[in-house]
Amino acid sequence: NAGVTQTPKFQVLKTGQSMTLQCAQDMNHEYMSWYRQDPGMGLRLIHYSVGAGITDQGEVPNGYNVSRSTTEDFPLRLLSAAPSQTSVYFCASSYIGEGGNTEAFFGQGTRLTVV
Amino acid sequence: AQKVTQAQTEISVVEKEDVTLDCVYETRDTTYYLFWYKQPPSGELVFLIRRNSFDEQNEISGRYSWNFQKSTSSFNFTITASQVVDSAVYFCALSEANDYKLSFGAGTTVTVRA
Repeated sequence: NAGVTQTPKFQVLKTGQSMTLQCAQDMNHEYMSWYRQDPGMGLRLIHYSVGAGITDQGEVPNGYNVSRSTTEDFPLRLLSAAPSQTSVYFCASSYIGEGGNTEAFFGQGTRLTVV
Repeated sequence: AQKVTQAQTEISVVEKEDVTLDCVYETRDTTYYLFWYKQPPSGELVFLIRRNSFDEQNEISGRYSWNFQKSTSSFNFTITASQVVDSAVYFCALSEANDYKLSFGAGTTVTVRA
């Protein structure tokens, strides 16, 4: 059982380049999300999805796009990379069980540097 | 809007000392869920515990214990007899009922010196 798989683990981009961070989960969770982690700020929600075909913005969505064509995949696209997007990115999945909200299952993270 | 505050930025202790991490939260919902995660130097996020707002029973798991008090909106975490392997960043988080979104505190960096 792989859980949540993120690729790549490391990436360096030049300002203005675009790229897609991949995220896949094999637990059939309906909810998937993307967070960014910056020093002293914890994790902040970028975008989330409550199911295939449904996405919404989180706290810091500017400069990012997402789509959810299948339950398993939730890619994050950087449209035109900026140095302010240098961060560590985490993908997560979760579901609501009989006991309510479950914990989020996180991928290994992607360390992105924009120069 | 929900909010989580971890006022302690960094804590440094000597091995075998106890460490208590503070977490204060804000929410308008009566049903909500609280979590603690650990992020070791390797960078992954490790789930430690989940509590719902209807269960104020405190919990002990090995050297870890959690103190949930609704009256003060706090969900504190204690490491007893700390070890070097406990060195990590610890995050407190909250989600409201039927809302998957997690709000995280800024994290507390714990350094345990041998």
